[in-house]
Amino acid sequence: AAGVIQSPRHLIKEKRETATLKCYPIPRHDTVYWYQQGPGQDPQFLISFYEKMQSDKGSIPDRFSAQQFSDYHSELNMSSLELGDSALYFCASSRRQGGGTDTQYFGPGTRLTVL
Amino acid sequence: DQQVKQNSPSLSVQEGRISILNCDYTNSMFDYFLWYKKYPAEGPTFLISISSIKDKNEDGRFTVFLNKSAKHLSLHIVPSQPGDSAVYFCAASGSNSGYALNFGKGTSLLVTP
Repeated sequence: AAGVIQSPRHLIKEKRETATLKCYPIPRHDTVYWYQQGPGQDPQFLISFYEKMQSDKGSIPDRFSAQQFSDYHSELNMSSLELGDSALYFCASSRRQGGGTDTQYFGPGTRLTVL
Repeated sequence: DQQVKQNSPSLSVQEGRISILNCDYTNSMFDYFLWYKKYPAEGPTFLISISSIKDKNEDGRFTVFLNKSAKHLSLHIVPSQPGDSAVYFCAASGSNSGYALNFGKGTSLLVTP
């Protein structure tokens, strides 16, 4: 079965640079979530999109922005990178339409290292 | 504040025995609970879930129990296999708070032969 695709898998940037992470949800999934996992930490929710509209916002810094496109893929844009932004960034997708429960399936993650 | 808590950072179990992983939550608005299995440098893999209208859900070797009054859930794996060795995250979400997952800090399970 198709899974969530994230690219790139690894990214190395310098401080104050920008980075763009991409997420391709499972086909027919309409919702995308972004999470950040620091070393030894649990994943922290950043932001989500349902049907291309922002659905919910978590602990996402103002330096970050995201959007979901017409083909349902999503991009997380990160500017003025700081050392503390070094983390694993996960994208998850779900099919929320139709109600009921919302099971999120995660991609393999992008490991961002800021030097 | 940590709304989902996994108080055991690690657990070691012999192959063939039962593994019991525990999770507590504080937010009574959570109505959907999930368990994920995670290997280093990989994304969390969905294992099993339970809605707040149920108290038990079973899928093969995995069973999740929910005690709403105690705000407690547990994952039972029986029989445990060496391939089950991984970090297990408990997560909870609420339909009235955007479905964002709130994770526990994880329990590292080691199943020894």
